[in-house]
Amino acid sequence: GDSVTQMEGPVTLSEEAFLTINCTYTATGYPSLFWYVQYPGEGLQLLLKATKADDKGSNKGFEATYRKETTSFHLEKGSVQVSDSAVYFCALVDYYGNNRLAFGKGNQVVVIP
Amino acid sequence: EPEVTQTPSHQVTQMGQEVILRCVPISNHLYFYWYRQILGQKVEFLVSFYNNEISEKSEIFDDQFSVERPDGSNFTLKIRSTKLEDSAMYFCASRGQGDQPQHFGDGTRLSIL
Repeated sequence: GDSVTQMEGPVTLSEEAFLTINCTYTATGYPSLFWYVQYPGEGLQLLLKATKADDKGSNKGFEATYRKETTSFHLEKGSVQVSDSAVYFCALVDYYGNNRLAFGKGNQVVVIP
Repeated sequence: EPEVTQTPSHQVTQMGQEVILRCVPISNHLYFYWYRQILGQKVEFLVSFYNNEISEKSEIFDDQFSVERPDGSNFTLKIRSTKLEDSAMYFCASRGQGDQPQHFGDGTRLSIL
């Protein structure tokens, strides 16, 4: 079935550093791809999305490009802030197949001042 | 901005008791979902609901689980006889038509004693 794989382990970095979180997916159809963010004590918030190959989603300085050839949707931000500390989830859904979101395990990002 | 609301934020229940988790989806949305996240694990799909019936359910969603949309605004998840392993964060989500993304509530933390 459809699945999402995120890089292992938490990510700790200094303020203003460059952030990359890797995400690869397996899908039989034509999925839409998402990044959700979970701030401490809160629910899942949509960060950005891309619905077809080569689309770039962007929001709050974060970007991710839908790469069909490498089945990837890596999240990047050029200069992180302490307020970006959260758990980041990559997810996909195939609205023309099943209807469910498939999530990666999530990556805890800790930004140190 | 409209949002999905869930109540209660935390529910503590004795094993074997029934529990009802409540959600108010975004008012013009048509598709409704429940997911759960056991501590330290992936967010997992439970069930999707459209046009007043279940459209898809996962293997987790057994006979102990049921969903209902009792009126035009609420969407509930009932667990008939709770088990220790039902302890998790339960998220409700809703979305509009087409490829619109799912919007999540802040979750209900269910603790089974």
